[in-house]
Amino acid sequence: SSELTQDPAVSVALGQTVRITCQGDSLRSFYASWYQEKPGQAPVLVIYGKNNRPSGIPDRFSGSNSGNTASLTIIGAQAEDEADYYCNSRDSSGNHWVFGGGTKLTVL
Amino acid sequence: EMEVVESGGGLVQPGGSLRLSCVASGFSFSSYWMSWVRQAPGKGLEWVANVKQDGSEKYYVDSVKGRFTISRDNAKTSVYLQMNSLRAEDTAVYYCARVQRAGTTDWYDPWGQGTLVIVSS
Repeated sequence: SSELTQDPAVSVALGQTVRITCQGDSLRSFYASWYQEKPGQAPVLVIYGKNNRPSGIPDRFSGSNSGNTASLTIIGAQAEDEADYYCNSRDSSGNHWVFGGGTKLTVL
Repeated sequence: EMEVVESGGGLVQPGGSLRLSCVASGFSFSSYWMSWVRQAPGKGLEWVANVKQDGSEKYYVDSVKGRFTISRDNAKTSVYLQMNSLRAEDTAVYYCARVQRAGTTDWYDPWGQGTLVIVSS
């Protein structure tokens, strides 16, 4: 399968923990990377590989993997974390890439 | 500072052509795969094409195969997307991004600010 499935929308109370998931058969073979996109701005890498954060990304962001599911967890969500989040990985062929449909995170 | 900057977007009629350019700076361009990713208005991100460091391997999403061509010029630290036979559904912001590959993981960073392509009569 070449699809990655994300919940369209998730909400979290300010300061609480939220998990955003990404499901797909290819995730059994390849790690996902995660991107944050705010309105009018380019996507920004937040997590890649097993659980790696680029410099400048707060440590409240973390990643995990289990079977066909990759997860992005935010511990202590802040107002500035409100954004769309996309996962990405290769498809099962290994030579094409695919993004999940995106999850709109609302911080209440 | 690592940076990629896209250009070349605009309004084009259905069936027309457009060439997007992306200039990179702040990193060893010839050492990295490069990518084009697009986002239609109000929609999610869609991977379009990737090109290997030396241009010897190119991969495309099925919807653009045979119509779009990705290429690069390492001497000019630039990657291009030649888009032919454009359709209304190709309307999107097109982003250029550096691809890092390590075993079973890839990631896109940095991204440019994007260039808007509108296909309309």
